[in-house]
Amino acid sequence: EVQLLESGGGLIQPGGSMRLSCAASGFTFSSQAMSWVRQAPGKGLEWVSGINGSGDKTYYADSVKGRFTNSRDNSKNTLYLQMNSLRAEDTAVYYCAKGRITMTLGDFDYWGQGTLVTVSS
Amino acid sequence: EIVLTQSPATLSLSPGERATLSCRASQSVSSYLAWYQQQPGQAPRLLIYDTSNRATGIPARFSGSGSRTDFTLTISSLEPEDSAVYYCQQRSNWPPTFGGGTKVEIK
Repeated sequence: EVQLLESGGGLIQPGGSMRLSCAASGFTFSSQAMSWVRQAPGKGLEWVSGINGSGDKTYYADSVKGRFTNSRDNSKNTLYLQMNSLRAEDTAVYYCAKGRITMTLGDFDYWGQGTLVTVSS
Repeated sequence: EIVLTQSPATLSLSPGERATLSCRASQSVSSYLAWYQQQPGQAPRLLIYDTSNRATGIPARFSGSGSRTDFTLTISSLEPEDSAVYYCQQRSNWPPTFGGGTKVEIK
């Protein structure tokens, strides 16, 4: 059974940093592209960042480029999102999502339960 | 980036009725369109990928159709548990984008 479990969210002041983690199980983690998708309170879904299976290619939405870093440790079956220079508009539930296909540009067949990041003073 | 526009914003129907949800792309996405269901307080769930392929475990009452810029998700006979927000998503061009969602209410 595929499981994705995010952690690391919470309340952070504007300008602060936070690292999210996503522990994966039930599939060959190193073979699959992974993404982070966020959802602001009461709003729709926004793709944030994707990473290929080996971790050497990453992609970002313009809204987070230069501030967020997506990475993975395939030995630990874990995905990370390092978020720096956080802004109020980054407040959202952050989901990690497993790519359905090996290509990083794809759709998502399994999602974690999400972790809430609140950026506020 | 490709903009996906979903309509209607809200659909209110009775159990057993047919629901038709639309997703229009600002440019062709070929057949690379997926649909997700998000029930209140839960993560999205993949329903349909590549326009018309049901994901694992998805009931046959859910079907997808369309091509290039115009796509439809049909729920043939609504069940109470189908009350949710439905999103479309394209994987044709970077970045992958989602539509704004259609809320389906069951009367």
